[in-house]
Amino acid sequence: TQLLEQSPQFLSIQEGENLTVYCNSSSVFSSLQWYRQEPGEGPVLLVTVVTGGEVKKLKRLTFQFGDARKDSSLHITAAQPGDTGLYLCAGRIQGAQKLVFGQGTRLTINP
Amino acid sequence: DAGVTQSPTHLIKTRGQQVTLRCSPKSGHDTVSWYQQALGQGPQFIFQYYEEEERQRGNFPDRFSGHQFPNYSSELNVNALLLGDSALYLCASSFVRAGGSWLHEQYFGPGTRLTVT
Repeated sequence: TQLLEQSPQFLSIQEGENLTVYCNSSSVFSSLQWYRQEPGEGPVLLVTVVTGGEVKKLKRLTFQFGDARKDSSLHITAAQPGDTGLYLCAGRIQGAQKLVFGQGTRLTINP
Repeated sequence: DAGVTQSPTHLIKTRGQQVTLRCSPKSGHDTVSWYQQALGQGPQFIFQYYEEEERQRGNFPDRFSGHQFPNYSSELNVNALLLGDSALYLCASSFVRAGGSWLHEQYFGPGTRLTVT
């Protein structure tokens, strides 16, 4: 049973389009992180959200933490080929030290 | 500022053998976590070390063991390797603030690709 469900698992769109990736759970997280991973490399931290309802922007990427701290979304505006990669959400359960990862969303942006 | 480093980058072992993977945390970090990432999956938590002790452990058998040294570097040992142990093994480091509060961010190394034949 996956504690964090990401959707979609695969997404292939054209350059310039917008997209949203979702990360959902029935558990409450004290914080949630988004990572991007290239093939054969480790995940690179993009953002950490801590407060319910928090919105953070990183250039064309917008991250939102749900009010109840059970879900999160990543929205990319005007996607570019350089955005291609595996996007992972990871949550820290209250009182625990480990991160629980979703299965990832493999994003392909076609020129 | 040196990031998280791992060695070796690639490793090929046969079933039944033992393997040791190494990790040096990011400068200023004192906590090391190990994750296993199978192909096409998200990372799965193995265990975490802080102050040279295992703080928390995921659902992995006792064949997986670890160690943290006084300089905060860490090793992951896997005994009696199985074909299913083939994966990318990731090390992540973080920092515990004074008072024991664990900062939220974990920074990952490039991983060690282990292939068991």
